[in-house]
Amino acid sequence: QPQLQESGSGLVEPSQTLSLNCSVSDGSISTYTYSWSWIRQPPGRALEWIGHVHSSGSAYYNPSLKTRVTISMDKANHQFSLRLTSVTAADTAMYYCARVSCSSSSCYRIGSFDPWGQGALVAVSS
Amino acid sequence: QSVLTQPPSASGTPGQRVSISCSGGRSNIGRNTVTWYQQVPGTAPKLLLYNNNQRPSGVPDRISGSKSGTSASLAISGLQSEDEGIYYCSSWDDSLSGPVFGGGTELTVL
Repeated sequence: QPQLQESGSGLVEPSQTLSLNCSVSDGSISTYTYSWSWIRQPPGRALEWIGHVHSSGSAYYNPSLKTRVTISMDKANHQFSLRLTSVTAADTAMYYCARVSCSSSSCYRIGSFDPWGQGALVAVSS
Repeated sequence: QSVLTQPPSASGTPGQRVSISCSGGRSNIGRNTVTWYQQVPGTAPKLLLYNNNQRPSGVPDRISGSKSGTSASLAISGLQSEDEGIYYCSSWDDSLSGPVFGGGTELTVL
């Protein structure tokens, strides 16, 4: 299994853009049988799927975040990234990247998340 | 409020068998498979079961899962202290067009 590692700013000002990268330890980011996802967990709360990107270039997002989220992939550097615009305090959370299995040929439908990165804590505050 | 409903807590003594329930609806558990994750506080979630009852390599067979209708259940037999943590269920939701999670159940080994 690859190892995943998040990196990026841990503090973002309200109304600004949150940016995180996830490095994948091997070349499997180009594999068609998996997609690459972001999930977040606000303090003391449950997990929330943000979206995922497939090596075909297709990206799929949680409808509640769709207008503010972009997930993209850099195959050459074995990483994928998250951008979340116009952040508020409600976006304060631990952000995890994870590999996810595809449940359809286009990887529109996804299955289980495995493995996960260790997480990156992002606080939105002025 | 989570789409999937789990009890907030569960407990048992070493060696006991405990079950954790996960209730959903027709758009998620009713039509799709269930996945379970274990999260030890301060660490990332770890895949425990997929496709309702399939164990990834390394997960002991004392951990099992089942699904019936719009509900699913995780069972842990021969409870050990290392089983402490928060357990989350998850399923694809056809209405959301994405995966949804339960609120988590904190398991304590007394």
